[in-house]
Amino acid sequence: DAKTTQPPSMDCAEGRAANLPCNHSTISGNEYVYWYRQIHSQGPQYIIHGLKNNETNEMASLIITEDRKSSTLILPHATLRDTAVYYCIVRVVSSGNTGKLIFGQGTTLQVKP
Amino acid sequence: DTEVTQTPKHLVMGMTNKKSLKCEQHMGHRAMYWYKQKAKKPPELMFVYSYEKLSINESVPSRFSPECPNSSLLNLHLHALQPEDSALYLCASSQVYRGAKNIQYFGAGTRLSVL
Repeated sequence: DAKTTQPPSMDCAEGRAANLPCNHSTISGNEYVYWYRQIHSQGPQYIIHGLKNNETNEMASLIITEDRKSSTLILPHATLRDTAVYYCIVRVVSSGNTGKLIFGQGTTLQVKP
Repeated sequence: DTEVTQTPKHLVMGMTNKKSLKCEQHMGHRAMYWYKQKAKKPPELMFVYSYEKLSINESVPSRFSPECPNSSLLNLHLHALQPEDSALYLCASSQVYRGAKNIQYFGAGTRLSVL
């Protein structure tokens, strides 16, 4: 199973873009990159996912390098409510028909006023 | 509605007690999951149910016994737990799908303390 490496913590000023990196150098061709976040005392919340192409939704953008060995989650205008632990996850699609999420250690993002 | 409801929110139990955690979703999802999360650690998968059948058991000790009585409910029966089993227990659900969009929706968890 592929593993991910993230910086343990990052700070970001409110209103600025937050760029959260993730290394997944052992990712296989059929494995997707997912990002979840966990606000204190809550369950993880899905943010975005991708395979090869860059993706954007209402919450964030996901940039995946061409060799797929790393990715960056971008929160374009961080707010105080974005303070959370962000998990970069590689999901194995071929594990039955449910998919297995392998959580890394995550990055604690602190958004400061 | 993307809500996964877990009860109780908090549970304190002795090592000889038997208790159950409950998880419920009404999104029509046919895959449901139990995760365990220790303090300051990431969630770890315990069990996966697909179409009400156990499809993944991550070598979890038998003192944890999952049950999926129907497509909306998932239980975790606890018996003879140890203090090191104290953790946040998270339930999640998703569609059963062989494609990319298999988003798991998580409940808020049950915080368990074993005395």
